[in-house]
Order: sequence, then structure tokens, then C-alpha cells
Amino acid sequence: AQSVTQLDSQVPVFEEAPVELRCNYSSSVSVYLFWYVQYPNQGLQLLLKYLSGSTLVKGINGFEAEFNKSQTSFHLRKPSVHISDTAEYFCAVTPNRDDKIIFGKGTRLHILP
Amino acid sequence: DSGVTQTPKHLITATGQRVTLRCSPRSGDLSVYWYQQSLDQGLQFLIQYYNGEERAKGNILERFSAQQFPDLHSELNLSSLELGDSALYFCASSLGTGAEKLFFGSGTQLSVL
Repeated sequence: AQSVTQLDSQVPVFEEAPVELRCNYSSSVSVYLFWYVQYPNQGLQLLLKYLSGSTLVKGINGFEAEFNKSQTSFHLRKPSVHISDTAEYFCAVTPNRDDKIIFGKGTRLHILP
Repeated sequence: DSGVTQTPKHLITATGQRVTLRCSPRSGDLSVYWYQQSLDQGLQFLIQYYNGEERAKGNILERFSAQQFPDLHSELNLSSLELGDSALYFCASSLGTGAEKLFFGSGTQLSVL
């Protein structure tokens, strides 16, 4: 069975500083990986996804993530955060495109002025 | 705006009662997913429907049931409510059976008193 571990429940970071949100997955088969973002009082929206091909995936709002099969990780990065990035970020996994998505517990990103 | 509509936005009820949450998917989407979000459990997958048929089941309690109607809207029925059922319930939709890109509604906040 697949599972996702987001190692940090909260990450504080200063505005314009870089940030990395960590995600590790466990799966006995190949996986498809996602990052979703939830802004305050809203539903989730897709930031980026890894299905195949290049291990470096670029998403919306300047975010990118790198798929590392040997370390079973899919960390999310942004070189310079803005106050508008304040949100909760969810890593998710599915074993194939026709299966349900399993979400991690989320990481709350706090942007400090 | 994701195009997924959930009603009501807030619901306050008492233990032992029954409620119905409604979801209208994005135009053209055939799959509807229901998720429960709580502080301790995170985002838990409940159930998926595709074109009127149940396709996948997650951690859905026997007191909960769902269906998808011919017009593709879906309803989640929660009965014999307990305090622990208080949570944010999200509906998401996708075009096909896969979860490559889910579009989430804004959720229904259920409070059981």
C-alpha cells in the first residue's frame, strides 16, 4: 500500500528566502506524485505533478519539485517565497493514473515579514 | 474558481442526526471523489464515483453512504452523527477515472454538537 510522509507539520520562513517542504513516499510499485496547495478557506488546487520523464518538475507560482527514486522523496522547493505563499501544502501519491490519490497530512507554510 | 460546487458551506447539527452534503462536479467531469479533512487525520479519502458507479472505496464508515446521480452530481449522507464526525468534507472531480488532476470544491464544514 502507498503512503506519504510529510516530515514537517509547519515551516516558518522569512519573505524572499528559499524554502523546501519535504515529502517521502512508500510504494512497492511505480508511483505518480503530486503537490497540492490549500489557501486559507479554500479547496486544494494542483501545484505540480510527476508522472514520468524528467525528475525535475516545474509547477505554478514558481514552485518546483524533484523526484528521487533512490531516496523515495519528492521535495517541493521555491527559491524566494512571498507572503501570498502562506498556505498548507499537501504531497500525494497514487500507484497508477486510474487509482485513488493518497494525501500526506500537510505542511503549513508560514511566511515571516 | 475550480468549477466544483459544494453545498452547504457550513452545517451545524446534533449527535445522532443525519445530514446530506451535496456536490456538483465541473462541467464535463465524470468522476467525483469525497474526502474528509480533520486536524488529527489529515485528508482522508472516502469514496469515488465514476459516471454513476462506485469505483473506489477508502476509509468510509458504514454510517456514511454516497451516490452519484444521472446528472453527475453527488451526495454524501452521514447518519447517526458523532462528535468525531466534525470535519471539513471536500468533494473533488476529474475528467476520467484517473486522479491526474483533481479539482476541489471549497468544502462543507460540519460541526456536530
